[in-house]
Amino acid sequence: DAGVTQSPTHLIKTRGQQVTLRCSPISGHKSVSWYQQVLGQGPQFIFQYYEKEERGRGNFPDRFSARQFPNYSSELNVNALLLGDSALYLCASSLGPGSQYEQYFGPGTRLTVT
Amino acid sequence: QKEVEQDPGPLSVPEGAIVSLNCTYSNSAFQYFMWYRQYSRKGPELLMYTYSSGNKEDGRFTAQVDKSSKYISLFIRDSQPSDSATYLCAMSVMRGSQGNLIFGKGTKLSVKP
Repeated sequence: DAGVTQSPTHLIKTRGQQVTLRCSPISGHKSVSWYQQVLGQGPQFIFQYYEKEERGRGNFPDRFSARQFPNYSSELNVNALLLGDSALYLCASSLGPGSQYEQYFGPGTRLTVT
Repeated sequence: QKEVEQDPGPLSVPEGAIVSLNCTYSNSAFQYFMWYRQYSRKGPELLMYTYSSGNKEDGRFTAQVDKSSKYISLFIRDSQPSDSATYLCAMSVMRGSQGNLIFGKGTKLSVKP
């Protein structure tokens, strides 16, 4: 079975631009979470979605937004990019509420902001 | 004080050694405790999770949780060069429908042949 997939793998953007990252969960998983991992740090929670509804939001500015589609795939959008947004963006999927302790991560999208 | 503290290492051991990795935490509401392995430039891979206190074993890996001390450990027996990676501890409250993970910084492990 395919694991969590993310696209693109790498991305280079300029300050002020906007970016959209995509994630497809494991088949049968209905919950998707997004994390940001800065070099040398552990992942930091951004959003959690279940059944197309936002179920949790981390301490990130409103420049960050996300949505989940009927097929449970998800997009993360970041507007007005800053140099500090350079990081590995990880998507994780799980069966749903009550199974968040068993989250499976994709390979990530490495975003570089210049 | 960060919610989850983890020594970033690096930790270097010879092949076959027993490795001990640890995390401490401050939030007594944490109920689930996870260990992830992350190879360079890859996403984290779930190794195992534990609910509340106690031990859990899976092959060469043993996870321990001591909620009274707010301390968790991962032991790796007969370590192999392929175990060389960054090990992340993660914890969750699992309140209602939420369950975001709080991660430590990760410990970088190197197992030398």
